[in-house]
Amino acid sequence: AQSVTQPDIHITVSEGASLELRCNYSYGATPYLFWYVQSPGQGLQLLLKYFSGDTLVQGIKGFEAEFKRSQSSFNLRKPSVHWSDAAEYFCALLPGYSSASKIIFGSGTRLSIRP
Amino acid sequence: EAQVTQNPRYLITVTGKKLTVTCSQNMNHEYMSWYRQDPGLGLRQIYYSMNVEVTDKGDVPEGYKVSRKEKRNFPLILESPSPNQTSLYFCASRGFDRNTEAFFGQGTRLTVV
Repeated sequence: AQSVTQPDIHITVSEGASLELRCNYSYGATPYLFWYVQSPGQGLQLLLKYFSGDTLVQGIKGFEAEFKRSQSSFNLRKPSVHWSDAAEYFCALLPGYSSASKIIFGSGTRLSIRP
Repeated sequence: EAQVTQNPRYLITVTGKKLTVTCSQNMNHEYMSWYRQDPGLGLRQIYYSMNVEVTDKGDVPEGYKVSRKEKRNFPLILESPSPNQTSLYFCASRGFDRNTEAFFGQGTRLTVV
């Protein structure tokens, strides 16, 4: 079965520190992978996406993610977080077959920033 | 501007009173979906539509209905809402080209008392 696991429910980091949010997926072929951010009271904003090609993907707001097929992972990173990065982050997967219609979401990781 | 628009943004209703949440997209996308977001569960798909007059159940369809009479609109209907449908709802659309991202609406926070 296809699934996305975000093992960390809540993470707190200090402003200016580096960040890594973990994401593991289960899918038998190469999926399309996404990271979304949801600020309090807001909708979902796409940070970055991986479809194919270079396994290190650059996104908006200084975020990047690396696709590692051998580890079935797509971890999100940022070298230096800002207080405005406090939000909930969702990793998501879209199966690669043409009739796939459902984006499968992880349960989310809430990021808090320590001043 | 590419947009998915949901209305209303906030709604408080009573058990059993029929309601409709509207969703409209301006990108001529074929795929449209409804998700609900609950703490600790992420987003779960309720219903989806692959084109006009083509709809199908997602993971949690019980208590919901949808219709797709026009390509741009995909309303979510709760015929008899119950408290367990209190949630944050998102509409999404995506084009047929699989290399395109999905666009999400701003969300509708529904409370059923």
